[in-house]
Amino acid sequence: KQEVTQIPAALSVPEGENLVLNCSFTDSAIYNLQWFRQDPGKGLTSLLLIQSSQREQTSGRLNASLDKSSGRSTLYIAASQPGDSATYLCAVRAGTASKLTFGTGTRLQVTL
Amino acid sequence: SAVISQKPSRDICQRGTSLTIQCQVDSQVTMMFWYRQQPGQSLTLIATANQGSEATYESGFVIDKFPISRPNLTFSTLTVSNMSPEDSSIYLCSVGLGQSYGYTFGSGTRLTVV
Repeated sequence: KQEVTQIPAALSVPEGENLVLNCSFTDSAIYNLQWFRQDPGKGLTSLLLIQSSQREQTSGRLNASLDKSSGRSTLYIAASQPGDSATYLCAVRAGTASKLTFGTGTRLQVTL
Repeated sequence: SAVISQKPSRDICQRGTSLTIQCQVDSQVTMMFWYRQQPGQSLTLIATANQGSEATYESGFVIDKFPISRPNLTFSTLTVSNMSPEDSSIYLCSVGLGQSYGYTFGSGTRLTVV
């Protein structure tokens, strides 16, 4: 059974800092991995999708990497802003299944 | 990516009643997914809704409690039946447009049962 863990569970940083969020998964037989952002009480916004054959994806200040063999992904946020404050979730699509398995989330707060 | 309209966005309901949540997608999709997110927790898949067939429920979720309809390729409903305070959660629908495109989520329904 696929298990996805995110570290740290919560993080508070001052504005302008670069930061890294970690995601680990137990079964390396994945199709892809997706990073989402969730604002309090809201739905999920997709940030980046990495296919199993890819090593990284970039979108603006965000960069996500994937090391399938070690079961890890990182989300790098450059020059953090207060508007980046949210919960960040990683999710893997494992094997031939269509469903996603979600991580536990990292709650990020960027302070002025 | 697809755009999903989910409603209601939030509701406060009395225990013992039922609430139906609707999701409308702007393109035709084979499968729609319904998730529950309990307070402070991550997302858990409730069921997968296929057009023209019965929904497939995950372990711990049953049709009598969470009946799902999928009348066409762009619409689905999830009903939370005979609600108790333990059903207070955010409920989300999701679709995928193929392996290359990832998954898109609705804006969520925040349910509080009193």
